[in-house]
Amino acid sequence: NAGVTQTPKFQVLKTGQSMTLQCAQDMNHEYMSWYRQDPGMGLRLIHYSVGAGITDQGEVPNGYNVSRSTTEDFPLRLLSAAPSQTSVYFCASSRGGQGADTQYFGPGTRLTVL
Amino acid sequence: AQSVTQLGSHVSVSEGALVLLRCNYSSSVPPYLFWYVQYPNQGLQLLLKYTSAATLVKGINGFEAEFKKSETSFHLTKPSAHMSDAAEYFCAVSVAQFSGGYNKLIFGAGTRLAVHP
Repeated sequence: NAGVTQTPKFQVLKTGQSMTLQCAQDMNHEYMSWYRQDPGMGLRLIHYSVGAGITDQGEVPNGYNVSRSTTEDFPLRLLSAAPSQTSVYFCASSRGGQGADTQYFGPGTRLTVL
Repeated sequence: AQSVTQLGSHVSVSEGALVLLRCNYSSSVPPYLFWYVQYPNQGLQLLLKYTSAATLVKGINGFEAEFKKSETSFHLTKPSAHMSDAAEYFCAVSVAQFSGGYNKLIFGAGTRLAVHP
């Protein structure tokens, strides 16, 4: 099992550019989510999905778009990048969405917006 | 609203010394609590979790945490630090969402542990 994979590992964008961060998992997990990590703030939830075709907003959804067409993939789109979106992005998945379920994290994508 | 507070953004210990990383939570319902570790340039890895089965939870790499309801705490400890324990540690509480039956994680700000010889 590869677990949760993310591409690219690093990315530099100019303000206004768009891009898609890729996330895939091979554990047949229904629940997937995107977090951003900023210094001194821990991780904050951007968007999540409870299954193919179902997504919802987290704490900091503005400027990001998601879709979930398959169980395996959960891409995160930045439509018009801003310097405030400079961060490290983590994708996570879990078997179920209940309280005790463990979320498994990918290795992260470090994004810089100039 | 549920929240997590980690006291001390940086903790430094000597190799072989006790490691104590502090976490306090706020929750209106019995919580599910987690400790994750992040090694440099890597993703987060689960150390241990509290699911109400036992108040003392043992995790990987010799770490353990004790749930104390009266103190709303879930501190992480390890009797003897190794150099390989140097990493950032995050405490998190699981919070139910009203839509979709999904529990999101609320993370603390993290504590960076340094271990020196």
